[in-house]
Amino acid sequence: NAGVMQNPRHLVRRRGQEARLRCSPMKGHSHVYWYRQLPEEGLKFMVYLQKENIIDESGMPKERFSAEFPKEGPSILRIQQVVRGDSAAYFCASSPTDASSYEQYFGPGTRLTVT
Amino acid sequence: GDSVTQMEGPVTLSEEAFLTINCTYTATGYPSLFWYVQYPGEGLQLLLKATKADDKGSNKGFEATYRKETTSFHLEKGSVQVSDSAVYFCALRADSWGKLQFGAGTQVVVTP
Repeated sequence: NAGVMQNPRHLVRRRGQEARLRCSPMKGHSHVYWYRQLPEEGLKFMVYLQKENIIDESGMPKERFSAEFPKEGPSILRIQQVVRGDSAAYFCASSPTDASSYEQYFGPGTRLTVT
Repeated sequence: GDSVTQMEGPVTLSEEAFLTINCTYTATGYPSLFWYVQYPGEGLQLLLKATKADDKGSNKGFEATYRKETTSFHLEKGSVQVSDSAVYFCALRADSWGKLQFGAGTQVVVTP
């Protein structure tokens, strides 16, 4: 059973471009969490999604950031008009149901660099 | 709000030394507590967890006890190996959605 997949592993964008990060959860998992790790900091929760629904986006910046988890295909974290401060590692995690009772399985992350 | 504080690194040890990484938390209610480990270039892996006061989580020689009176969840290992070199994250889960609150991470370097 393949683990959580994220791509690309490394992404370089110029200021003002769009960044699109993909997360394929483990087979059978319908819950996805996105976290961001800024340099020298711990991971910060961004958003929690179930298939076709955003459940909790309390950690998402109000502008430029959006997330989706369609019925088919990976979850996408989209950052429009990137700025240098968006440079970070973005991790997604999946669980078979809401993770109040189950472990979250993490992907290897996408390292975004904004030049 | 909820928060997790863990000791800063890097922590450098010789093989077979004793490891302690301090972790304290602030939370309303009764959170679940976790230690995750991150090896270079990889995602986080759950190392151990405890869901209620006085529970002891253990795995691969690592242990941590949920201490409500001191709001702590310190990680210990009696004899570290070079392969234990990694970044260790303390985390709590306080709400029903399952989102995790992480500490800043502690890098551990074990030398032969």
